[in-house]
Parts: sequence; structure tokens; C-alpha cells
Amino acid sequence: GNSVTQMEGPVTLSEEAFLTINCTYTATGYPSLFWYVQYPGEGLQLLLKATKADDKGSNKGFEATYRKETTSFHLEKGSVQVSDSAVYFCALMRNAGGTSYGKLTFGQGTILTVHP
Amino acid sequence: GAVVSQHPSRVICKSGTSVKIECRSLDFQATTMFWYRQFPKKSLMLMATSNEGSKATYEQGVEKDKFLINHASLTLSTLTVTSAHPEDSSFYICSARDEFQNTEAFFGQGTRLTVV
Repeated sequence: GNSVTQMEGPVTLSEEAFLTINCTYTATGYPSLFWYVQYPGEGLQLLLKATKADDKGSNKGFEATYRKETTSFHLEKGSVQVSDSAVYFCALMRNAGGTSYGKLTFGQGTILTVHP
Repeated sequence: GAVVSQHPSRVICKSGTSVKIECRSLDFQATTMFWYRQFPKKSLMLMATSNEGSKATYEQGVEKDKFLINHASLTLSTLTVTSAHPEDSSFYICSARDEFQNTEAFFGQGTRLTVV
């Protein structure tokens, strides 16, 4: 079956530090990959996505590249801000048809805290 | 992006009572809606998938008689937690997508349920 594994947190950084949150996946076929962010007390928001191998998703200074050879989709940001403090979820969705089409499989989430 | 509104955002109920959570797509047709449950400091677990006008498909281990899902229109799905118990306290999140337009899944804000 499909699964997503994220690096365990929490991750604590100082402002302007470099961020990497690792994400690897197991899936049949060619899934789409996503990073979602959940700010305190809020629902999930799509941060970025990639739908095929070697695609790079980017948004708000965050980037992630779909690496099929290593089945990874690591999230990076060159300089984090206090406002980036949130929980980050890596997820995948099958692209092919079938009963699991459209369902998202999430990683366990990584709590990021950025200090001034 | 598209808007999904979930209501209420927070609810406290007494043990043994039932609680209804609404999930509405405000500007697109939600042919498919997904209901997730998020345990503290853990990932989102898919509970069920519902297609408009059809019975929901529940994930293994989810009690369909306890978590009643109705998806009677293309803009509204409801989750009713019947005879709630303290162990049902959790964060419930819906997401919706338009299968025909092959959209991504858009998430509601989530509902914090506390059963006392």
C-alpha cells in the first residue's frame, strides 16, 4: 500500500536558518506529491505540489523536488521566518484510477518552531 | 484557490449525545468529499470517502454506524458522530474535490470536538 514517512520533529530553528524536512514515500504507479502546512488552530493549506518525476514545487520560498529514483520529496527553505512556525505534512495521491484515487496519504507531520 | 467551509470550528458535547459537522464547498462542485481525523501530535487518518448521492466508503476500522456521513448535494457533506464518547474527542477535517475537473483536494478549517 501507499505510505509516507517524514522526519520526526519537532524541529527548532533560529530565524534565517536553512530548513530541510525529509519526506520519503512508498507507492505503486506515479503518485502526485504534496506539502501541506497547518498553522496553529487552523486547517490544512496546500503549500506546494509536484505531479511527476523531477518536477519542482515552490511557494513562499519553500521548494521540494519530486525524486523518483530516491522516492523522496524533501521540503527546503533557505531562510525561515518566525511566521513559518507550523506543522508540515507531506502527502501523496494516486494519479491513476481506482478506489484510492483522490485520497491523500499523509506523513505523520513535522512541527517546526522558529525563534527570533 | 477554492473554498471549503467547515462548521462548527469547535464544539463541546456531553457523552452520549450526537454531533453534526458540516462541510461545504462554496465555489465549486464537490463530487467527492473526504473526512479525516487527526489525533494529537499525529497525522491525519482518512475515515471515509463520499461521492455525491452515494453511500460513503469507510476505511477499515472506522465504525460506519458511529460516524454517519451524508453527501446529498454537490456542495454539502455532513459527518454525524453518534452517541459520542470522550475517546471520540479529536480534530475532524473534511476535504473536497471535483473529480470531473480533476482538481486538488481543498480542506476545510477543521472541527475540534470535545466530548465531556
